[in-house]
Amino acid sequence: AQSVTQLDSQVPVFEEAPVELRCNYSSSVSVYLFWYVQYPNQGLQLLLKYLSGSTLVKGINGFEAEFNKSQTSFHLRKPSVHISDTAEYFCAVRENSGGSNYKLTFGKGTLLTVNP
Amino acid sequence: ETGVTQTPRHLVMGMTNKKSLKCEQHLGHNAMYWYKQSAKKPLELMFVYNFKEQTENNSVPSRFSPECPNSSHLFLHLHTLQPEDSALYLCASSQVPGISYNSPLHFGNGTRLTVT
Repeated sequence: AQSVTQLDSQVPVFEEAPVELRCNYSSSVSVYLFWYVQYPNQGLQLLLKYLSGSTLVKGINGFEAEFNKSQTSFHLRKPSVHISDTAEYFCAVRENSGGSNYKLTFGKGTLLTVNP
Repeated sequence: ETGVTQTPRHLVMGMTNKKSLKCEQHLGHNAMYWYKQSAKKPLELMFVYNFKEQTENNSVPSRFSPECPNSSHLFLHLHTLQPEDSALYLCASSQVPGISYNSPLHFGNGTRLTVT
């Protein structure tokens, strides 16, 4: 069975600083990987996804993530954050094993707080 | 506008009440999901419906009863809940994997449920 570990529950940074949110996964088969963002009082919104091909994936709002198969990681990065990036970020994995259900396994989330 | 609308946004109910959560998607998707989001825990998948048929019940207590009358609407009927059921309940939709394996989930803004 797949699992997802987000190593940091909270990450405080100053505005315009770079940020990296870490995500590691475990699976016995190949996977699809996702990052979702949740702003206060809202549902989850897809930030970016890795399906195949280039290991560097670009998403919305200037975020990008890099898939590293050997390290089973999919860390999220942004070179310069804004106050509006304050939100909770969730890493998720789905095994590429066929089947009819879209079973995403989510990490516990990382709360990114951007301070002025 | 997320394309997935959940009502009500907030609900307070006693342990003996019966209430229902409603979800509607306007994205032409054919799979719908209920997730439970509790503080400090990963999102928990509760139910999955593909083409109106329930394909997943993740060991959810019977006091939660889902209903999917068509591919655009999903309900969660609640009765005799416990205080530990207080959480954010998120509805999501996607294309059914197999037609489009890589279809990401689209979430509603959730219903914040408080059981007193």
